[in-house]
Amino acid sequence: GAVVSQHPSWVICKSGTSVKIECRSLDFQATTMFWYRQFPKQSLMLMATSNEGSKATYEQGVEKDKFLINHASLTLSTLTVTSAHPEDSSFYICSAQSTGSGNQPQHFGDGTRLSIL
Amino acid sequence: AQSVAQPEDQVNVAEGNPLTVKCTYSVSGNPYLFWYVQYPNRGLQFLLKYITGDNLVKGSYGFEAEFNKSQTSFHLKKPSALVSDSALYFCAVRSSGGSYIPTFGRGTSLIVHP
Repeated sequence: GAVVSQHPSWVICKSGTSVKIECRSLDFQATTMFWYRQFPKQSLMLMATSNEGSKATYEQGVEKDKFLINHASLTLSTLTVTSAHPEDSSFYICSAQSTGSGNQPQHFGDGTRLSIL
Repeated sequence: AQSVAQPEDQVNVAEGNPLTVKCTYSVSGNPYLFWYVQYPNRGLQFLLKYITGDNLVKGSYGFEAEFNKSQTSFHLKKPSALVSDSALYFCAVRSSGGSYIPTFGRGTSLIVHP
């Protein structure tokens, strides 16, 4: 149980394109979803936290107009990288947490490798 | 504020030998502690957690971790390493009474040599 599906797993696109990444909880309801960015051989950088039905909370230094997050249902959150540029190339990972699960682990998607040419 | 330290960027161990990946934490109140493993180009997989109770926690793939309150540590251990254990390991902490957002360590790369 507790499977999180993230799509696409890999995308290459031209500079200036917008890219949408989906994160779905397949067998549980995810009240909260987290979006991370990971550079090679580095730790996870939390970008934002989204709660179903409300606006995402962005970490300091993350451009909310650049990285649009929508958490419209208890099983789906999306991250849209708008007008992507080469410096946005990275590995993006989502995770989900169910309701009332303060002592439960996060469940992670398999990540999206984004390459902007 | 809460924080996690993984003092080693890389740990090297020979196959069959015991391994330890270190983690220390700082948190207000009681900690919830987690270990995750990440294989290349994959997301993180949950290994084990400490919430309360026995200080020695057993998890997936033969891993275990010992919670030490006085030393504020939660080191990951395995009695006999496998080459397939080679991966990136992350420790995370969350306060039982504070923010529900966990803080992750910077990760430790475990390399098990045949």
